[in-house]
Amino acid sequence: GAGVSQSPSNKVTEKGKDVELRCDPISGHTALYWYRQSLGQGLEFLIYFQGNSAPDKSGLPSDRFSAERTGGSVSTLTIQRTQQEDSAVYLCASSLEYEQFFGPGTRLTVL
Amino acid sequence: GENVEQHPSTLSVQEGDSAVIKCTYSDSASNYFPWYKQELGKGPQLIIDIRSNVGEKKDQRIAVTLNKTAKHFSLHITETQPEDSAVYFCAASKGYSTLTFGKGTMLLVSP
Repeated sequence: GAGVSQSPSNKVTEKGKDVELRCDPISGHTALYWYRQSLGQGLEFLIYFQGNSAPDKSGLPSDRFSAERTGGSVSTLTIQRTQQEDSAVYLCASSLEYEQFFGPGTRLTVL
Repeated sequence: GENVEQHPSTLSVQEGDSAVIKCTYSDSASNYFPWYKQELGKGPQLIIDIRSNVGEKKDQRIAVTLNKTAKHFSLHITETQPEDSAVYFCAASKGYSTLTFGKGTMLLVSP
C-alpha cells in the first residue's frame, strides 16, 4: 500500500522567502508528526496532530514556523521569512498506534 | 523533557561480526522504545521496538534489550551483512506520542 509521501523532495529558496512543505499521510492514520533533521543530527520534533485535538506545537523553534492539517489528512508545514539555519531535511510521519511511519523527507536549502 | 543519549556515533565491523548500539533515556515515564534504520536519502524505517513491560525482544538477527531500572536500552545485530550499513536511531516516548531521538549511529559493515 501507499506509504507517507512528501513534496517537494528538494526545495532551494532564498533567505527571506516563505516555503510550504506538504505531507500526505497513510490513509486512516489519525496522528501526524513533523520532525526536522539537521546535518549529522538526530530528529527534532516540531509539531504533532492527533485526530481533532489541538496540535502540540511545543517543538516549533520560532513563530516563523506553522503547520496545518486539513480534513484530518494532508498537512502543510509553512516556514516564513526563511533563514539559513532553517536548512535541513523536514520529515513527516503518521501513525495509528505506536509505530510511526516516515516519509522520504523534503530537503530544504536556504541560500 | 525527555533526553536520549546514543553511543557510539560511528561503528565499524567486519561482515559476520555482531554490532551493539546503546541508548540511555532520562524520563522514567517513557514506555515505548523503537529503533529506526535510515539509509541515505530515505526516511527512517522501524526495524524493531520494545515496550516497557518486557525486557527483551528478538526478530531474526536483531534484538533489543531494555533495563528500566538503569534507563537504558540496546540494539544487537548478529551476523552483520553489508546491507546492514546505515544510520541507526534509538528513540523514546510516553505512549502514543512524539518520539525523542538519539543522535544516531553510523554503522559500517565491511565485506
